[in-house]
Amino acid sequence: DIQVTQSPSSLSASVGDKVTITCRASQTINSYLNWYHQKPGKAPKSLIYATSRLQSGVPTRFSGSGSGTDFTLTISSLQPEDFATYYCQQSYITPYTFGQGTKLEI
Amino acid sequence: EVQLVESGGGLVKPGGSLRLSCAASGFNFSNYNMDWVRQAPGKGLEWVSSISSRSSYVYYGDSVKGRFTISRDNAKNSLFLQMNNLRAEDTAVYYCARVSGRGVIRDIDYWGQGTLVTVSS
Repeated sequence: DIQVTQSPSSLSASVGDKVTITCRASQTINSYLNWYHQKPGKAPKSLIYATSRLQSGVPTRFSGSGSGTDFTLTISSLQPEDFATYYCQQSYITPYTFGQGTKLEI
Repeated sequence: EVQLVESGGGLVKPGGSLRLSCAASGFNFSNYNMDWVRQAPGKGLEWVSSISSRSSYVYYGDSVKGRFTISRDNAKNSLFLQMNNLRAEDTAVYYCARVSGRGVIRDIDYWGQGTLVTVSS
């Protein structure tokens, strides 16, 4: 199975900051890497698919990059509603493993 | 508006069974692959199972293989997860999720609100 490792596991930041979250796969997954975020008590929401493509309605302060095994999610200027837990998921091959999550806190 | 509404969760004893349902609306259900994803209390997301649009292909995570069965009824716009021989570690919120119809690019674009399954004696 492909292991997906996210870092950091938690991150403290302030409104207006630029933050980067990293996801590393244990083998190449080409560009089949997706990002989701989740607020406490709520269902996850989809942010980015295929490494860098924004889901409809997602603000452009979110961006994704990478290929092969190393990927990043960048939020260019944090807004209050961005404080949540972020997950990456590889969709290259089953099982479609998720990273362990990155909790973004104030 | 796409809506996914799960039901069927609850408290069950170890070794017991439960059947989850997901009612889909707002899109042509029969055109989309579907997933189940779960989240244990205080933990991260875990992909559980997938089914193709016409039920031709089904896939399972290692932790549920042989115990869970995914199925769908396209005529009733419904997705199911039959869970047998449940264990304490199956305790989680179970999310029904739509896989986007983007061809080889595979991602979840819509999630249900989840249903809680608790396995305890």
